[in-house]
Amino acid sequence: QAVVTQEPSLTVSPGGAVTLTCGSSTGPVTSGHYPYWFQQKPGQAPRTLISDTTNKQSWTPARFSGSLLGGKAALTLSGAQPEDEAEYYCLLYYSGARVFGGGTKLTVL
Amino acid sequence: QVQLVQSGAEVKRPGASVKVSCQASGYIFTTHSIHWVRQAPGQRVEWMGRLNPVNDNTQYSQKFQGRVTITRTTSASTAYMELSSLTSEDTAMYYCATRGDYGDFDYWGQGTLVTVSS
Repeated sequence: QAVVTQEPSLTVSPGGAVTLTCGSSTGPVTSGHYPYWFQQKPGQAPRTLISDTTNKQSWTPARFSGSLLGGKAALTLSGAQPEDEAEYYCLLYYSGARVFGGGTKLTVL
Repeated sequence: QVQLVQSGAEVKRPGASVKVSCQASGYIFTTHSIHWVRQAPGQRVEWMGRLNPVNDNTQYSQKFQGRVTITRTTSASTAYMELSSLTSEDTAMYYCATRGDYGDFDYWGQGTLVTVSS
């Protein structure tokens, strides 16, 4: 089974920008992996922020965006807010199966 | 309004099996796959598998292959996830999720806590 890697933790200042990445043990991440990004806060189910690399859900704040960057999927947060402090997971598609990354704990400080 | 309502918490002995249900409403059950995801306390989220209710096609994570079975009862708009040979490492919150207008995981059940303890 493929291994999906994320930064374990990142810190961003309020109003600042940060990019979270999502890599694959099988090689470069492409649009064919249909990358998803989820936000999870304590005690809650994950919530989709980005689907299929770049598509935002109706509830996704405009400050979040998805892309492919240097062979990885990327989630960029521009103008961080205190409420963005959470765990972020990416999910990749492998011929029908899906694999989550290990998650990135984002601190807004 | 799409809703996924899961069955209640379970306590199981090691070696037993557990079957969690996920009842869907607010959309035509056969139009979208149902995914199952779990999260052990303080651990990462894990994708377990999915069922396509149109053709009963299933796909499972290699990690759970042979231990997990996802089924459905279309007349009840309900999907089921059964996990066998439970160990303490299977103690986790189990979620079902389905597609909305934007992606495959737009709607989530409330979660079912499964505790495995002797």
